[in-house]
Amino acid sequence: EVQLVESGGGLVQPGGSLRLSCAASGFTFSDHYMDWARQAPGQGLEWVGRIRNKPNGYTTEYAASVKHRFTISRDDSKNSLYLQMNSLKTEDTAVYYCVRGFRYSSGWSTDYWGQGTLVTVSS
Amino acid sequence: DIQMTQSPSSLSASVGDRVTITCRARQGISNYLAWFQQKPGKAPKSLIYGASNLQSGVPSKFSGSGSGTDFTLTISSLQPEDFATYYCQQYNNYPLTFGGGTKVEIK
Repeated sequence: EVQLVESGGGLVQPGGSLRLSCAASGFTFSDHYMDWARQAPGQGLEWVGRIRNKPNGYTTEYAASVKHRFTISRDDSKNSLYLQMNSLKTEDTAVYYCVRGFRYSSGWSTDYWGQGTLVTVSS
Repeated sequence: DIQMTQSPSSLSASVGDRVTITCRARQGISNYLAWFQQKPGKAPKSLIYGASNLQSGVPSKFSGSGSGTDFTLTISSLQPEDFATYYCQQYNNYPLTFGGGTKVEIK
C-alpha cells in the first residue's frame, strides 16, 4: 500500500524557516518524481514544486510564489522527500501535501497524496 | 502561467443526477489534464489523468474528455459519496496549475 506521511508543520513567525518531511512507503520511491502542493485555509489547491528522479538529474521546478525561498530535496536511501521553507510569509500559511508522480505513456502525472501537514505563519 | 478556469464554481444536484464540470485552459495543453476529488478535511484523490484515463480503482461512473483547451468531468449517476469539491490540473507546462474548484452539493 502506498503511504505518504508528512511531518514538520507548525507555527512559525514571518521571516522564519521550517523544514517539512515526507516519509514514503509501499513503492519504489527512487523511481518517481515527487511534488509538493498546498492549500490555504478555505482556498483551492496550489502546486508548490517538483523534484525529478535520479535518471532525470534530481532537477527541480517551482511555483513563482515560492521560487528562491523554498527548496525541494530528496533522499532516496531514506525514502524521504523534503521541503525547506525560508523567508516565510503569512501567505504561506497552508496545509502542505506530499504528492507522488507517476509515469504513463505520455508523461508524468500524479496519483497519491499524503494527509498533509499544517504550516501557520503568524507573529 | 496557464490559467485554468472551472465552471460552475458550485452546483446543487440530486442523487442519481448526471453532473458535468467544465475546465478551460487559457492556452492549449494537449491532453495533459488531471482531475481530483477532495472531501472536507481530507487530502485530494486522483480520479483521471491524461484527460480521459481513470486512475486504478476509480469507478466507471466518472469519465473525462477533451483536448486542447476544453475539458469535462462527468459523473454519470451522482451518489452520496460523490458530494465533494473537484479540481482540474494542467501538467503540460510548468508551473503546474489547478482550476479554482467546483463544489458539488446536495440539492
